[in-house]
Amino acid sequence: EMQLVESGGGVAQPGGSLRLSCAASGFNFSPYGLNWVRQAPGRGLEWVSYISGGSGKIYYADSVKGRFTVSRDNAKNSLILQMNSLRVEDTAVYYCATSTGHLDHWGQGTLVTVSS
Amino acid sequence: DIVLTQSPDSLAVSLGERATINCKSSQYIFDVSKNENSLAWYQQKPGQPPKLLIYWASTRDFGVPDRFSGSGSGTDFTLTISSLQAEDVALYYCQQYNSMPRTFGQGTKVEIK
Repeated sequence: EMQLVESGGGVAQPGGSLRLSCAASGFNFSPYGLNWVRQAPGRGLEWVSYISGGSGKIYYADSVKGRFTVSRDNAKNSLILQMNSLRVEDTAVYYCATSTGHLDHWGQGTLVTVSS
Repeated sequence: DIVLTQSPDSLAVSLGERATINCKSSQYIFDVSKNENSLAWYQQKPGQPPKLLIYWASTRDFGVPDRFSGSGSGTDFTLTISSLQAEDVALYYCQQYNSMPRTFGQGTKVEIK
């Protein structure tokens, strides 16, 4: 069964950093593009970042560009989101999702709270 | 960036009746290489991640009941639930994947009348 499990969420202060991970299992990980999508409390979905299977294509939302870095380790079936210079408005549940364009499979999400 | 605008923001439908959600794109999202519109629909229930329902505007994902259907072309798309069931109470989002950044509609809340 295809499974994605996010971890690394928690509380950070404004200006701080967090590192999110997404562990994949049950499918051939390396060919899949992967995304991070977030959802602030009581709000809609916001796409954050995309990385292609071979890491040759990487994209970010303007709201996180220059602060967040996405990477993947295909040998370990893992996706990483390094979040620096965190802001209060980054508070959200962060989901990883596979994509073949549309977002096929989603993890359960990990909550990031940025607060002083 | 492509802006997707859903309407209505919420709707209440009686059990067994039809629910219709619209999604209007600020630009064409037609994929020439695939000859398809790059639009997906997702369902999200409270406390759960979104679930893919429809892709390429009208293709149901595996296991999605056939009461869910997608249609549309150009810049106007529709998700229809032909006979609303209690388990369909949820938020519904459209999303375009024709270009970066990927964008979502603001969501439509479906409730039972």
